[in-house]
Amino acid sequence: EVQLVESGGGLVKPGGSLRLSCAASGFTFTNAWMSWVRQAPGKGLEWVGRIISKTDGGTTDYAAPVTGRFTISRDDSKNRLYLQMNSLKTEDTAVYYCTIFYGVRGGWFDPWGQGTLVTVSS
Amino acid sequence: SYELTQPPSVSVSPGQTARITCSGDALSKQYASWYQQKPGQAPVLVIYRDNERPSGIPERFSGSTSGTTVTLTISGAQAEDEADYHCQSADISGTSPVFGGGTKLTVL
Repeated sequence: EVQLVESGGGLVKPGGSLRLSCAASGFTFTNAWMSWVRQAPGKGLEWVGRIISKTDGGTTDYAAPVTGRFTISRDDSKNRLYLQMNSLKTEDTAVYYCTIFYGVRGGWFDPWGQGTLVTVSS
Repeated sequence: SYELTQPPSVSVSPGQTARITCSGDALSKQYASWYQQKPGQAPVLVIYRDNERPSGIPERFSGSTSGTTVTLTISGAQAEDEADYHCQSADISGTSPVFGGGTKLTVL
């Protein structure tokens, strides 16, 4: 069974940093294209960014609101995905989900972890 | 920035057919997917590639496309289908995934 378990969320002050982690199991993590998606309280889903497999180049892409502040990385030896968040703003408050990205021409995300809550507040 | 537009809410009686639309200029060139999200839970994929259904998703869920609009149809909606539904695709370049604002489906 595919499992994605996020951790590392919590309360942080504006301007602060936080690193989220996603533990993956039940599939070949090395070959997976992984993404982070967030959801602010009472709002819709927002794509944060993506890291493709090392065999496909290992590159990253980010949504405009987080470019230059967030960094996605992966440790294939540990089956772990990371999201380093710097210069956090109040508008970054959200539940952050780890998910596998598939396909081209739109693609899709499946499955999703249970999410971890990040609250940015003074 | 590119946007996908969904109605905020849709309401049907049990056993009726629910249709949720999603509009966006790039939908004629990019596939769309749909996710069901119940309160306090993570999203679950119910349709991908416009009209493909993952294993384990009931047959009453189907997807269709026409021009720049995609539609999620729930035939014979049940109380357990009450949830938020999010469409997802990508911008015209295919680089950046994009989500619609979500539609709250009420079945009562």
